[in-house]
Amino acid sequence: QVQLVQSGAEVKKPGSSVKVSCKASGGTFTSSAISWVRQAPGQGLEWMGGIIPMFGTTNYAQKFQGTVSITTDESASTAYMELSSLRCEDTAVYYCARGPPEPGYFDYWGQGTLVSVSS
Amino acid sequence: DIQVTQSPSTLSASVGDSVTITCRASQSITSWLAWYQQKPGKAPKLLIYKASTLEPGVPSRFSGSGSGTEFTLTISSLQPDDFATYYCQQYNSYSLTFGGGTKVEIK
Repeated sequence: QVQLVQSGAEVKKPGSSVKVSCKASGGTFTSSAISWVRQAPGQGLEWMGGIIPMFGTTNYAQKFQGTVSITTDESASTAYMELSSLRCEDTAVYYCARGPPEPGYFDYWGQGTLVSVSS
Repeated sequence: DIQVTQSPSTLSASVGDSVTITCRASQSITSWLAWYQQKPGKAPKLLIYKASTLEPGVPSRFSGSGSGTEFTLTISSLQPDDFATYYCQQYNSYSLTFGGGTKVEIK
């Protein structure tokens, strides 16, 4: 059974950075892709970008180019999402989700990590 | 980027009703569309992929149809557990995009 377990909630100041982790178990980490999807309070789902651990290739939504970095540690079956230059509008629940190594749907999701940005 | 427009944004219905949600893409995505259900405080759950293929374990009252630019999700007989928010997602190409969501409420 595939499981994605994310790191805990974070409280950050505007202008700082946050790094959220997503540890995978029960599946083939390297041959899948891990994406990050965020959801602001009361809002819909927004894809930020993804990585294919086997190739180390990344794809980012244009909106997040330059402010988000998605990486992996294959030895730990863990993906990371780092968001920099945080603004109050980045307050959201951040989910990791597993998909195929090409544009695809998401069959497994992490539990979500709340990132709150406030001065 | 391919835009995905979902309608309605809110839908009020009763247990036993049949309901339909529509998703329209800004260009053809052939059948590369998925549907998710999300309950408050929980991660989305995959219901349907490739427009009409039911994810294992999902009740057969859920069905999807469509191709090209217009798609529908139908719940044939609403159950109490089905009151939730539903999202479509296109995966024809990067950037992946979601519809704005449809909240199915109890009438």
